[in-house]
Amino acid sequence: SVLLYQKPNRDICQSGTSLKIQCVADSQVVSMFWYQQFQEQSLMLMATANEGSEATYESGFTKDKFPISRPNLTFSTLTVNNARPGDSSIYFCSTGRHNERLFFGHGTKLSVL
Amino acid sequence: QQKVQQSPESLSVPEGGMASFNCTSSDRNFQYFWWYRQHSGEGPKALMSIFSDGDKKEGRFTAHLNKASLHVSLHIRDSQPSDSALYFCAARAPNTGGADRLTFGKGTQLIIQP
Repeated sequence: SVLLYQKPNRDICQSGTSLKIQCVADSQVVSMFWYQQFQEQSLMLMATANEGSEATYESGFTKDKFPISRPNLTFSTLTVNNARPGDSSIYFCSTGRHNERLFFGHGTKLSVL
Repeated sequence: QQKVQQSPESLSVPEGGMASFNCTSSDRNFQYFWWYRQHSGEGPKALMSIFSDGDKKEGRFTAHLNKASLHVSLHIRDSQPSDSALYFCAARAPNTGGADRLTFGKGTQLIIQP
């Protein structure tokens, strides 16, 4: 199994500001995923990040709004640019291998005022 | 349209009873299914996968897949208070390569009544 640590656990920010969410794995992993979850609703895949390459974004999510970095095999950051109240949700990083279960971090709860 | 549909939205089961969840994919490419559950304040955790037609049993949990109808179900027998959580069905297309990109349903909230 893989343990994923996210920082911060929660954040409150003003509209128009940017914030970074960090994810650290306890072992090297090829792919990291970022998911968005509104209050007890479905998990939406935002993007896939592989080490050393540009993240691949899903429909509805853009690099300008949610830039993702993946500088090495244990680390990834998600930035929320120009945060709006509609971005208030929980953000999860996750990882897994083909045909194997995904492991998730504990999530970062973002509130945008 | 949501590609993975779950029912019911919520479910209340007495302790020791059977909890049953349903999931249907509207995309014929989605043939590989997972069940995850999420306790309040935590990240989702995988329960089990099912990739072949028929039943798959792991302890108190049994999943059933019918690929022809793209319907998968999950049954929990002898439900315990610790089973109270949000249960997600997740699906992916075959041969996506690399790590799996999963599409999640909206979830079923399970409450076990002591």
